[in-house]
Amino acid sequence: GNSVTQMEGPVTLSEEAFLTINCTYTATGYPSLFWYVQYPGEGLQLLLKATKADDKGSNKGFEATYRKETTSFHLEKGSVQVSDSAVYFCALIQSTGFQKLVFGTGTRLLVSP
Amino acid sequence: GAGVSQSPSNKVTEKGKDVELRCDPISGHTALYWYRQSLGQGLEFLIYFQGNSAPDKSGLPSDRFSAERTGGSVSTLTIQRTQQEDSAVYLCASSWDRGHNEKLFFGSGTQLSVL
Repeated sequence: GNSVTQMEGPVTLSEEAFLTINCTYTATGYPSLFWYVQYPGEGLQLLLKATKADDKGSNKGFEATYRKETTSFHLEKGSVQVSDSAVYFCALIQSTGFQKLVFGTGTRLLVSP
Repeated sequence: GAGVSQSPSNKVTEKGKDVELRCDPISGHTALYWYRQSLGQGLEFLIYFQGNSAPDKSGLPSDRFSAERTGGSVSTLTIQRTQQEDSAVYLCASSWDRGHNEKLFFGSGTQLSVL
């Protein structure tokens, strides 16, 4: 079945450091890929997405590239801020049938000043 | 409303009791989803509503779990005879329709603790 694997957290960084959160997936067909973010005390919200191979999703300085050859969708940011501290979820939607989101376990990011 | 609203935000109950969790989706959203977030686990899909019907309830863990939606709006997730393994954050989300469901709007969740 479809699944998403994320690196375990927490990831602890200093402000302005480079961020990578790894995500790999297993899916039939050609899924769409997403990163969702959950800030403290808030609901999950869509951060970025990519719908086909080699697409790059970007938002708020975050980027992720859909790599079909490595079945990966790693999240990156060149310079993190304290306000980026949150839990990040990688997710996919299968390309056929009922399109429910399949989420990874989430990675907590802690950014210190 | 302005966003997806869930109540209560926290619920502590004793093992064996029944609980009801409520979700008010964004006005006009026809699709509604329930997910469960357990410690150390990813978000686990429970059930999906399109209008008042549930085309996919494959994620409900057992027959102690049920959900309904009325008026194409409010949804209630009911857990009967709660067990300690039911402790989790229960998240509700809504979207315009199933064709756009990657653009889910999530509520803040209900933290359920079963003692």
